[in-house]
Amino acid sequence: AQTVTQSQPEMSVQEAETVTLSCTYDTSESDYYLFWYKQPPSRQMILVIRQEAYKQQNATENRFSVNFQKAAKSFSLKISDSQLGDAAMYFCAYRSASQGGSEKLVFGKGTKLTVNP
Amino acid sequence: KAGVTQTPRYLIKTRGQQVTLSCSPISGHRSVSWYQQTPGQGLQFLFEYFSETQRNKGNFPGRFSGRQFSNSRSEMNVSTLELGDSALYLCASSPYSVYGYTFGSGTRLTVV
Repeated sequence: AQTVTQSQPEMSVQEAETVTLSCTYDTSESDYYLFWYKQPPSRQMILVIRQEAYKQQNATENRFSVNFQKAAKSFSLKISDSQLGDAAMYFCAYRSASQGGSEKLVFGKGTKLTVNP
Repeated sequence: KAGVTQTPRYLIKTRGQQVTLSCSPISGHRSVSWYQQTPGQGLQFLFEYFSETQRNKGNFPGRFSGRQFSNSRSEMNVSTLELGDSALYLCASSPYSVYGYTFGSGTRLTVV
């Protein structure tokens, strides 16, 4: 079974600075998808960024980018120019590409990000 | 366009009762999944439905069940509630693609 590990329960960053959240995963599969979700106090999970394992190029969405190291099974999220609205729980998630079409996600335990003004 | 709608937002039930939670996916989304979120266990997959068929099921007891209707709306039911069932229950929908889920805001269930 796949597992996802987020080793940083909490992180803090100054507004306008850069922060990197870590995520490692364990799988024997070669084809899969990785996601970062953000959960603010409103509780709704919001998709931040996604990465297909077959793509070597790291995904980027505005101020959010990932460092995907397939061999190391590492998928870190970098947030540049941090804003107060970035404060939330961040979850790393894994989805197999070979589970009969199922879109089941396996989540890490999350990292609570605090942004200081 | 409207997002994923979960009702009710909050629910308080007594141990031993049963509860039904509802999820209306985004229009056109045929895949609906449910997750349980607790401080101790984190986010755990409950089940997934696609075109009214259960496509995958997590490791939860049979007290947890669900279904999907022809309009893609989904319900999950928990019978004989236990204190440990207190959690945030999240529903997510997808158009069946690799683009990831859209989640609802969840139903906060408290069992007393």
